[in-house]
Amino acid sequence: DSGVTQTPKHLITATGQRVTLRCSPRSGDLSVYWYQQSLDQGLQFLIQYYNGEERAKGNILERFSAQQFPDLHSELNLSSLELGDSALYFCASSLRQTPGPSLGDTQYFGPGTRLTVL
Amino acid sequence: DAKTTQPPSMDCAEGRAANLPCNHSTISGNEYVYWYRQIHSQGPQYIIHGLKNNETNEMASLIITEDRKSSTLILPHATLRDTAVYYCIVRVGSAGGYQKVTFGTGTKLQVIP
Repeated sequence: DSGVTQTPKHLITATGQRVTLRCSPRSGDLSVYWYQQSLDQGLQFLIQYYNGEERAKGNILERFSAQQFPDLHSELNLSSLELGDSALYFCASSLRQTPGPSLGDTQYFGPGTRLTVL
Repeated sequence: DAKTTQPPSMDCAEGRAANLPCNHSTISGNEYVYWYRQIHSQGPQYIIHGLKNNETNEMASLIITEDRKSSTLILPHATLRDTAVYYCIVRVGSAGGYQKVTFGTGTKLQVIP
């Protein structure tokens, strides 16, 4: 158990709908990362938040948005869903974001949310 | 951004050491090498990381070449439960210190009884 929780575990919805995925980081972790993993694909980094602020963006679609709240939990909002959005969505957390050049910072992953768009 | 190259798949006999290579020829001096694994569709699991020196923990050993252009993850006594996709990543820092993270497609390790 990594200490990162994600809800819901499974989500089935229809095209055009909007869903919200939730992530609670490990206690004390300030950074939250979101990843998408489609069938038989690698992990695609979507976005990172640190202490409530967006810090890095990957290949996140404009239909997707995220935020991190004062209690440090994060939500990923997916709207106008398409069939191709069906995937596993993982959240990860880490202790801190050190400004400047990258330093080691281990990410701990949650169990994921499996989204199925019909 | 530094990229990593890993073989797509490897087999290893149960009980033997599994040696998983990773090339990261464009790594910068202050970038760490991280290894994670993903068992089936579970959340990726941290294994080990290092900067210059070889590292060992209860799960594995990490050997980094002197020029830091490649590394090898060693699972000393592979078990069936080690069957997974293993990802080697290099932590990248972009302007402003933001952390972009790139996972490749990894190496699918199959441990054979």
